[in-house]
Amino acid sequence: AQSVTQLDSHVSVSEGTPVLLRCNYSSSYSPSLFWYVQHPNKGLQLLLKYTSAATLVKGINGFEAEFKKSETSFHLTKPSAHMSDAAEYFCVVSDDMEYGNKLVFGTGTILRVKS
Amino acid sequence: DTEVTQTPKHLVMGMTNKKSLKCEQHMGHRAMYWYKQKAKKPPELMFVYSYEKLSINESVPSRFSPECPNSSLLNLHLHALQPEDSALYLCASRNRDYRDEQFFGPGTRLTVL
Repeated sequence: AQSVTQLDSHVSVSEGTPVLLRCNYSSSYSPSLFWYVQHPNKGLQLLLKYTSAATLVKGINGFEAEFKKSETSFHLTKPSAHMSDAAEYFCVVSDDMEYGNKLVFGTGTILRVKS
Repeated sequence: DTEVTQTPKHLVMGMTNKKSLKCEQHMGHRAMYWYKQKAKKPPELMFVYSYEKLSINESVPSRFSPECPNSSLLNLHLHALQPEDSALYLCASRNRDYRDEQFFGPGTRLTVL
C-alpha cells in the first residue's frame, strides 16, 4: 500500500528566507509524486510533479522538489519565501489502480510567512 | 481550457432539502472525482468515475448520489444531509494515466443546518 508522511504540521519562516517542507513516501511501485497548494477556502493547485523523469523537479512560483529514492523522500523547497506563499501544502502519491487512480494525501503542512 | 468549474460556490441547506452540486471540465479528461474536505484536513475521496462509469465508491452514505451525464459533467445529488456533512466539496478530473495530475475545481462550501 502506498502512503505519504508530512513530517511537519506547521512551518513558520520569515519573508525572504528559504522554505523546506518535508515529505516521505512509501510505495510498492514506481510512484508518481505531487505537491499541491491550497489557499484558504480554495481548491488545490498543482505546484509540481515527479513521474520518473528528472529527479529534481521545478514547479511554479519558484518551488522545486527532489526525488530521493534511497531516502524515500520528496521534500519541497523554495529559496526565498514570499508572503503569498502562506497556505497549506499537501504531498501526494499516486496509486496505480486499473480504474481511475487514487491520490493518497499527506496530512498537510501549513506554511506561515512572517513579515 | 485547463479549468474545472464548480457551482454553486456556497450552499446552505436544511436537513430535509434536496440539492445538487455541479462540476464541469472541457479538457477531455475521462476520469472525474468527488472529494469531501473538512477544515484542517486533507481531501477525502468519495467517488470516482472513469469513462462515465462509477468505478470507486468509498462507502459513502446513500444520501450522497453521484451522476455523470456525459464525459464533461459530474453532479452530486444531496438529500437528507446531516450537519456533519458540512464541508468543502471538491471536484477533480484527470486525463488518463495514473502519472497524470488531477485538476481540482474551486469547491462548493456546503453548510447543513
